Amino acid sequence: GENVEQHPSTLSVQEGDSAVIKCTYSDSASNYFPWYKQELGKRPQLIIDIRSNVGEKKDQRIAVTLNKTAKHFSLHITETQPEDSAVYFCAASRRGATNKLIFGTGTLLAVQP
Amino acid sequence: DTGVSQNPRHKITKRGQNVTFRCDPISEHNRLYWYRQTLGQGPEFLTYFQNEAQLEKSRLLSDRFSAERPKGSFSTLEIQRTEQGDSAMYLCASSLAGGVSRYNSPLHFGNGTRLTVT
Repeated sequence: GENVEQHPSTLSVQEGDSAVIKCTYSDSASNYFPWYKQELGKRPQLIIDIRSNVGEKKDQRIAVTLNKTAKHFSLHITETQPEDSAVYFCAASRRGATNKLIFGTGTLLAVQP
Repeated sequence: DTGVSQNPRHKITKRGQNVTFRCDPISEHNRLYWYRQTLGQGPEFLTYFQNEAQLEKSRLLSDRFSAERPKGSFSTLEIQRTEQGDSAMYLCASSLAGGVSRYNSPLHFGNGTRLTVT
């Protein structure tokens, strides 16, 4: 069945360092890969997404890479700041009648000042 | 705020009671989703509507759960005979169905309804 694995489950970095979160998906028909940031008690918010027709996408300090062959995608945050501290979820969906997202289990990122 | 709106924010109920949650999606969005999220986990898909039609239901959705979207706008999720295992955050999301695009459009989530069953 459809599955998305996410690692690590927790990540602690010093302010200014980079953070990398990795996900693997099982459904080879997946073609859309968003990343959500969720602060405690708040809604998941889309921070970046990538479609299967590109290998990399960047938005300021955030970038996502996709390796379709290996079915891996990763989130890269550079120059981390304390306000980046949150839980990050990767997700995947396939083209079809629904837009159903399958989520990873989340990574708790702590940026130490 | 023109985002996805959910009510109530919190609901505490006793085991065996029925509860109903409401979701108002972004107005032009024709797709609406319900997800459930437990502590330390990612959101799990429950069900999906395109306009008023419920097109997919997860195996997670037991017969005690029912969702409606009668006019293709707001949606309700009802849980009958609640159990302690139903305690979770119930998230609603909406998106716009792509036309001829091969790709799906982003989901926008509401703040959720946190259900506690005692």
